[in-house]
Amino acid sequence: AQSVTQLGSHVSVSEGALVLLRCNYSSSVPPYLFWYVQYPNQGLQLLLKYTSAATLVKGINGFEAEFKKSETSFHLTKPSAHMSDAAEYFCAVSDRGGADGLTFGKGTHLIIQP
Amino acid sequence: DTGVSQDPRHKITKRGQNVTFRCDPISEHNRLYWYRQTLGQGPEFLTYFQNEAQLEKSRLLSDRFSAERPKGSFSTLEIQRTEQGDSAMYLCASSLVQNTQYFGPGTRLTVL
Repeated sequence: AQSVTQLGSHVSVSEGALVLLRCNYSSSVPPYLFWYVQYPNQGLQLLLKYTSAATLVKGINGFEAEFKKSETSFHLTKPSAHMSDAAEYFCAVSDRGGADGLTFGKGTHLIIQP
Repeated sequence: DTGVSQDPRHKITKRGQNVTFRCDPISEHNRLYWYRQTLGQGPEFLTYFQNEAQLEKSRLLSDRFSAERPKGSFSTLEIQRTEQGDSAMYLCASSLVQNTQYFGPGTRLTVL
């Protein structure tokens, strides 16, 4: 069975500082991995996805994530936080190329301090 | 491409009543998914369709829940005899086979 663990239910950073949101997964087969962002009272928007090509994946809004098989991790980073980045972030895993139901982590609430 | 739409956006009902939600996927997306999201949690998979066929159901989908996609386009999710524990955001997503799932804005259900 696949699972996702997001360390830290809340992460607070100053505007302009590095953003690091942690995600560890377990999967019995090579996984497909996703990061989604959710703003209040809205659905989920895809930030980026890993599909077994390049291990460093670039997404929208300046975010990127690196797949590390040895650490079973897929952490999300952004060099410089902006106030508009404040939202809930979810990591998700699929072992069938995203064609099945995704398994999500519990989410990390990102707070940006001015 | 107008995105995934869901109706209604909010639903308040009394315990024991039946409710039905609708999801319209992105046109030409042949896969449609339903998820449930409770406060402070990530979305949990309920079921998905490929065209009109329901291919997988989570054990979270009790017998009070039923989903349909009769013509392979829009889908409905019905909850019978609602319970307070059914209060959640119900999310719909659509995709082409083995591709990114695009989510709708969700229907927030409150059971009193």
